Amino acid sequence: KAGVTQTPRYLIKTRGQQVTLSCSPISGHRSVSWYQQTPGQGLQFLFEYFSETQRNKGNFPGRFSGRQFSNSRSEMNVSTLELGDSALYLCASSLAGLAGVPNPYEQYFGPGTRLTVT
Amino acid sequence: QKEVEQNSGPLSVPEGAIASLNCTYSDRGSQSFFWYRQYSGKSPELIMFIYSNGDKEDGRFTAQLNKASQYVSLLIRDSQPSDSATYLCAVKSQGAQKLVFGQGTRLTINP
Repeated sequence: KAGVTQTPRYLIKTRGQQVTLSCSPISGHRSVSWYQQTPGQGLQFLFEYFSETQRNKGNFPGRFSGRQFSNSRSEMNVSTLELGDSALYLCASSLAGLAGVPNPYEQYFGPGTRLTVT
Repeated sequence: QKEVEQNSGPLSVPEGAIASLNCTYSDRGSQSFFWYRQYSGKSPELIMFIYSNGDKEDGRFTAQLNKASQYVSLLIRDSQPSDSATYLCAVKSQGAQKLVFGQGTRLTINP
């Protein structure tokens, strides 16, 4: 079974621009979570989607947004980029939310998108 | 107090020895606990999860959970240089559809 895929793998943007990152979950997984990882803050939760609905949101400004499509693929968008947005953006998929799954909360990460803002 | 705390290390262990990694959490309602390994420049990889008090063994890895004391640990037996990585502890609280991660412990296995 194919793993979580993320595109693009690397991005360089300038301040003020916006960026869209894409994530395709493992087949059959309908929950997609997004995280930001920086050396200083570690892994910070951005938001989680299930069946096209955002179920949970972390403490990030409104410049960070996301969505999920009917095929469970997800995108996140960051508008008006700031230097501090430079980070590794990770998405993870899981079986969470699916009935009858005994241990649904294990999350499997994609390779990440390395975003550099200059 | 951080929700999930880990000693950042670095933790240095000789090859063949047991590496012991610890994690404490603040939310008593937490119900699911995960250990991830992250090599430099790579994404986190799930290695263990535990839901019930006690020990859970998988190969050279043993996860230990003590809900009364609010800690979870990971033991790596017969440590190998390939085990050198950052180990992340993650906790899921009851009712929350998210994992909260600790800062990670950097482990180095010395040949």
